[in-house]
Amino acid sequence: GDSVTQMEGPVTLSEEAFLTINCTYTATGYPSLFWYVQYPGEGLQLLLKATKADDKGSNKGFEATYRKETTSFHLEKGSVQVSDSAVYFCALSDYDSWGKLQFGAGTQVVVTP
Amino acid sequence: DAGITQSPRYKITETGRQVTLMCHQTWSHSYMFWYRQDLGHGLRLIYYSAAADITDKGEVPDGYVVSRSKTENFPLTLESATRSQTSVYFCASRGDSTNEKLFFGSGTQLSVL
Repeated sequence: GDSVTQMEGPVTLSEEAFLTINCTYTATGYPSLFWYVQYPGEGLQLLLKATKADDKGSNKGFEATYRKETTSFHLEKGSVQVSDSAVYFCALSDYDSWGKLQFGAGTQVVVTP
Repeated sequence: DAGITQSPRYKITETGRQVTLMCHQTWSHSYMFWYRQDLGHGLRLIYYSAAADITDKGEVPDGYVVSRSKTENFPLTLESATRSQTSVYFCASRGDSTNEKLFFGSGTQLSVL
């Protein structure tokens, strides 16, 4: 079945550092890929998405490129802020799956001043 | 207020008791989902629904029951709670277009003693 693998956390960074969170996936079809973010005490929010190979999703300074050849969707941000401290989830959705999302385990990011 | 709301926010119960978690959305979204969030597992799908009176099992449905008599409500019932069902439960909904994002509620933190 479909699956998503993310790097384990927590990832601890200083403010203005470069952030990368690795995400790889296994899917039988042509999935859409997503990054969701969860701030403390809240539900998940969509951060960005990509629906086909070579698409780049971007939002709030975060970027991720859909790489079909390496089955990856790594999340990057050039200069993190304390407010970026959160748990980040990589997820995929197959076309015929009614929009059901298969999530990775999540990566906690802690940004210190 | 518009949005997706879950209740209660926190719940403590005892093993063997029946518990119902409520989810209500105001967008008239067709699709609704229940996920549970556990450390190391990310979010796992319990049940989902494509419309009123149409529901199906997700990855971890055992011990749970759902109903969807009205489009806006999607309650989740634990028929006889077990300690392994201690978790944070998230309800989500989305519209009909392909690759539409999911909107998540704020979650219900359930403890089964």
